[in-house]
Order: sequence, then C-alpha cells, then structure tokens
Amino acid sequence: DAKTTQPPSMDCAEGRAANLPCNHSTISGNEYVYWYRQIHSQGPQYIIHGLKNNETNEMASLIITEDRKSSTLILPHATLRDTAVYYCIVRDGGDTNAGKSTFGDGTTLTVKP
Amino acid sequence: NAGVTQTPKFQVLKTGQSMTLQCAQDMNHNSMYWYRQDPGMGLRLIYYSASEGTTDKGEVPNGYNVSRLNKREFSLRLESAAPSQTSVYFCASVTGRSYEQYFGPGTRLTVT
Repeated sequence: DAKTTQPPSMDCAEGRAANLPCNHSTISGNEYVYWYRQIHSQGPQYIIHGLKNNETNEMASLIITEDRKSSTLILPHATLRDTAVYYCIVRDGGDTNAGKSTFGDGTTLTVKP
Repeated sequence: NAGVTQTPKFQVLKTGQSMTLQCAQDMNHNSMYWYRQDPGMGLRLIYYSASEGTTDKGEVPNGYNVSRLNKREFSLRLESAAPSQTSVYFCASVTGRSYEQYFGPGTRLTVT
C-alpha cells in the first residue's frame, strides 16, 4: 500500500474551516484514500473515504487532486470537539488486501476558542 | 447494537505471563483486525482475519497468536508477555463493501 505524508500538527480557530492535507504520491489506481480520527485515547473513528471524486458526508469533505497524489480533508466548521489526531491512509479495496492498511503518525489538529 | 467490544479494558501482567484479549462485533462483518498503538505513535497491524476461519500476519506479528473463533469473535493471545508488548490494543471490524474500519475502545496492557 502507498505511504502517506501528513504535517505533524495544525491549529484551527473554532468555527473556521479546518483543512488537513495528505500526500500520497505513490498511490496506485485501485487504492482508496481513507480518513480517520482519534480523540484522546479512544479507538479511531472512520470519517470519509474516496477513490478519485470529491466526497462529502455529514462529518467532512474530501478533496482529491486530479492526479490523486494528494488530498485534503475539510471540516467546514471546526468545534473544540474536533481536536484529535487525524490519520490519512491509502489501501486497496480488494478482499485479498484486507487488513493491509497502514496508519502513520497522523496530524494533531488543535481547535482553539 | 454495541458495535465492537473489547475485554478487558485494562490489564497488568508480569513478564512471562500469558493472556488473551477478546474482541467481538455485532455488525456481521467478515473482516476483523488487531492493532497495537505505542505511546505517541500511530497504529500498527498485528494480525487480521479476512473471513471466519482465516488469519494472516500484519506488520508486527511476533509474540502474538490469534484465533477467529466465529464470525463475531477474534481473539489475540500473548503466550509469554514481554515489556516491549506494553501498549494499547485495538480491535477493528471492517465493512465488506467499502472497507471502512470500526474500532473498539481498546485494551490498555502494561507488562512489568
């Protein structure tokens, strides 16, 4: 699976949009981009995923560049409860690669009042 | 619908002791995974099971064994615990279509 690169930390003002970048320059054509977050020491929480089209759900938006080498997770109106570590991972969606997803160190997002 | 449950929540072992971490899911998923997370670091895959009756090694399998008892349950066993296995252990259950992972609350293990 492709490796990802994320900034170690970011700050965001409460109520503003948080834009979290992720580089995955070696991504292959059948690999998806997934985002998770981990609040304090809880288990990670799934946020969103995509292949090549931009995606939106009730939690966030995912913007994937046309060459698929990078993506941005957008939290449109960050709240203090969004303070967490955000992980970007890429993996093949096939059954034979079940489990082969690597979580790096992620980005620690701090939302400030 | 409890999602993914893990027991115990906390455990302290002495070096050389054995124990089994339990994980169960009620979402009817085929795939289940075990990860460990060391302080200040990301998750590393220990073992995974793509379906009932099958298991495969992940990134850091040494010192662990697993058992996929049935579709709901996936257990992780430490036969002879070592201080290097002090970590937080997370179990995840995975959807079949889009491979979203749903995590349990974790087991915090300390080996002295």
